[in-house]
Amino acid sequence: KAGVTQTPRYLIKTRGQQVTLSCSPISGHRSVSWYQQTPGQGLQFLFEYFSETQRNKGNFPGRFSGRQFSNSRSEMNVSTLELGDSALYLCASSLVGSSSYEQYFGPGTRLTVT
Amino acid sequence: KNEVEQSPQNLTAQEGEFITINCSYSVGISALHWLQQHPGGGIVSLFMLSSGKKKHGRLIATINIQEKHSSLHITASHPRDSAVYICAVPPGSQGNLIFGKGTKLSVKP
Repeated sequence: KAGVTQTPRYLIKTRGQQVTLSCSPISGHRSVSWYQQTPGQGLQFLFEYFSETQRNKGNFPGRFSGRQFSNSRSEMNVSTLELGDSALYLCASSLVGSSSYEQYFGPGTRLTVT
Repeated sequence: KNEVEQSPQNLTAQEGEFITINCSYSVGISALHWLQQHPGGGIVSLFMLSSGKKKHGRLIATINIQEKHSSLHITASHPRDSAVYICAVPPGSQGNLIFGKGTKLSVKP
């Protein structure tokens, strides 16, 4: 089985721009979660999608949004980028959800905001 | 107080040593995850456990639900084990995880 893929792997944007990141889960997995990793805050949960519905959301401003398509692929969008949004963005897929099933992580998208 | 605490934060070992990394959590959970992150950034799930003990090769994970504590052990450590090890718990029944700050392990040859 192919693993979780994320595109692009690296991205450089300037403040005020917006960005869209993509995640393709393992075939058959219906849950996709997104995480932000920074040196200061570590790994933090952004949101989780299951069957095209946002099931859970972390403590992030409304500039962070996402969606999931019928094939379980997910995108996250960050509008009006700030310097503090520079981070590694990871997505993870699982059959149903992390509480009962193993999560499989993608390689991440490293976003740099200048 | 963080909901997930790991210790130690940094650990340097000589090749062949037995390694223990600890994780304590304060929320009720259904399972606990141990993850490994290499310098390139990719995260690999090592274990998901809800009770007792699991073993994969040289890695052993244990959990005590009553004491809200888990340990990750590495036997006969090797330089390729050098990575950040992260403990994570799902506080509810859905898809989010709360992470520890990680333990950075460096194994010297």
